[in-house]
Parts: sequence; structure tokens; C-alpha cells
Amino acid sequence: AQSVTQLGSHVSVSEGALVLLRCNYSSSVPPYLFWYVQYPNQGLQLLLKYTTGATLVKGINGFEAEFKKSETSFHLTKPSAHMSDAAEYFCAVTHTGGFKTIFGAGTRLFVKA
Amino acid sequence: SQTIHQWPATLVQPVGSPLSLECTVEGTSNPNLYWYRQAAGRGLQLLFYSVGIGQISSEVPQNLSASRPQDRQFILSSKKLLLSDSGFYLCAWRGTTNEKLFFGSGTQLSVL
Repeated sequence: AQSVTQLGSHVSVSEGALVLLRCNYSSSVPPYLFWYVQYPNQGLQLLLKYTTGATLVKGINGFEAEFKKSETSFHLTKPSAHMSDAAEYFCAVTHTGGFKTIFGAGTRLFVKA
Repeated sequence: SQTIHQWPATLVQPVGSPLSLECTVEGTSNPNLYWYRQAAGRGLQLLFYSVGIGQISSEVPQNLSASRPQDRQFILSSKKLLLSDSGFYLCAWRGTTNEKLFFGSGTQLSVL
């Protein structure tokens, strides 16, 4: 069975500091991995995804993530936080050939001025 | 282009009342359709998914049901709401499994 663990329900950084949001997954078959962002009272938007190929993937708004199979991780990073990055971030996994996408519990990112 | 419509945006219902939330997708055919519930601090819980008309898979035993009467229509229902049904409900669709999910804007349901 698939599962996703996001370490830290809340992360607080200063504006301009590095953002690191952690995600570990379990999957018995090669996974497709996603990061989504949610602003208050809205649906989710895709930040980036990994399917195959290059393990470092770049997304919108300066975010990137690296798929590390040996660590079963897909951590999200951004070199310099901006106030507009304050939101909730969700890591998700889908099995190749599967229909279900399973989400982590989410990490709320706070950005301090 | 594809769009997804979900309504209503907010809903306040008494305990024991029925529920019907509707989701429609435009601009695509034979999408995979999903209902998720988001409760505070609990992330997104997959409730139902559908790969075709009349085909519903339930992920969690609960007080809710889903139906897909048309290719691009997905309905979430309940005969009698419970307090624990409160939450933010999101409809989503996808083409192939390696694509992203496209989410609706959500329905905030409060059961009082």
C-alpha cells in the first residue's frame, strides 16, 4: 500500500531564507510523486511532479524537489522564501498504472518578515 | 481548455439532513474523477474515485456515497449527515495516471 509522510505540520522561515519541506513515501512499485500548494479556501495547484527521468525536478515559483529512491524521499526546497509562499503544501504519490493518489497530511509554511 | 466546476462553495446543514454535492468537468472525455475530504490538520483523504460511468470505488467506509450518472458528472451524497461529515470537500479529475490532478475550488460543509 502507498503512504506519504510529511515531517512537520508547521514550518516557519524568515523571508529570504531557505525553504525545506520534507516528504517520505512508501510504495511497492515505482511511484509518481507530486507537490501541490493550497492557498486558503481554494483547491490545490500543482507545483511540480516526478514521473521518470531526471531526479531533480523544477516547478513553478522557484521550487524544486529531488527524488531519492534510496531514501524514499521527495523533499521540496526553495532557496529564498517570499511572503507569497505562505500556504499549505502537500506531497502526494501515485502508483504507476494506478488510479489512486494518496496525499500527506500537509505542511503549513509561515514566512516571517 | 478543460475546466472543473464544483458547487456550492459553502453549505451549512443540520445533522440528519441529506447532502448532494455536484462536480462537472468540461473539455475532456472519460476522465478519472475523485472526491477528497480535507479536515483540519488531517490532509486530504480520498473518499471515492471513478474510472467510468457507473463505476465507483470507495476508499473509506463512511456515511457518504458517490455516483457518476454521466461521463463528466460526479456526485457526492449522504442520506443523513453526521457532525463528523463536516469538512472541506474537493472534487478532482485526471486524464492519465502520471498527470496531475485538476482540482475544483471546493465546498466547505458545516454540519450543525
